Amino acid sequence: NAGVTQTPKFRVLKTGQSMTLLCAQDMNHEYMYWYRQDPGMGLRLIHYSVGEGTTAKGEVPDGYNVSRLKKQNFLLGLESAAPSQTSVYFCASSDWTGNTEAFFGQGTRLTVV
Amino acid sequence: GENVEQHPSTLSVQEGDSAVIKCTYSDSASNYFPWYKQELGKRPQLIIDIRSNVGEKKDQRIAVTLNKTAKHFSLHITETQPEDSAVYFCAASTGGSQGNLIFGKGTKLSVKP
Repeated sequence: NAGVTQTPKFRVLKTGQSMTLLCAQDMNHEYMYWYRQDPGMGLRLIHYSVGEGTTAKGEVPDGYNVSRLKKQNFLLGLESAAPSQTSVYFCASSDWTGNTEAFFGQGTRLTVV
Repeated sequence: GENVEQHPSTLSVQEGDSAVIKCTYSDSASNYFPWYKQELGKRPQLIIDIRSNVGEKKDQRIAVTLNKTAKHFSLHITETQPEDSAVYFCAASTGGSQGNLIFGKGTKLSVKP
């Protein structure tokens, strides 16, 4: 039982490049979330999903897209990376109510130069 | 949408003293209030949570109180120890079809031996 796994753990991008972050969970959770963490800003919600095939915008969605084609996977895409997207990205998942513990992945440190 | 304010941003206490962190939320529909602890370089992990039908919950040295009328909730840590040093985040969620879990900006707690 791996819990929530993020791929990759580290990445350096050049401005304008694109990439996809993968989040996989093996707990059969309905809810999945993508957050970014910046110093002094806490965890800000980018996008979330309340079930397979659904996505919704969070607090800071601009510049990101997501897809949830399979229940266990939640993908975060950056189409044209900008230095402002340098951050640590965390994925999390929780069960069908959303009102239970959210389990976090180990994080992805992304640097855009 | 939901907005969660957290205070203070930093807190320094002597070992054995108590620590209190306070949060307010804006959405009266929020009904789930978890607290997470994040040690340096690690993922956030749940330490305690409370639901809207409960006013107080305790787990050994940590306790959380909720005042739904005033829309605020607090984390209390008694008999602090150096290993309590970390960043603590409060969060609020409405659950259901909304499913967004919104975090405060965090409190860096330092416990001096």
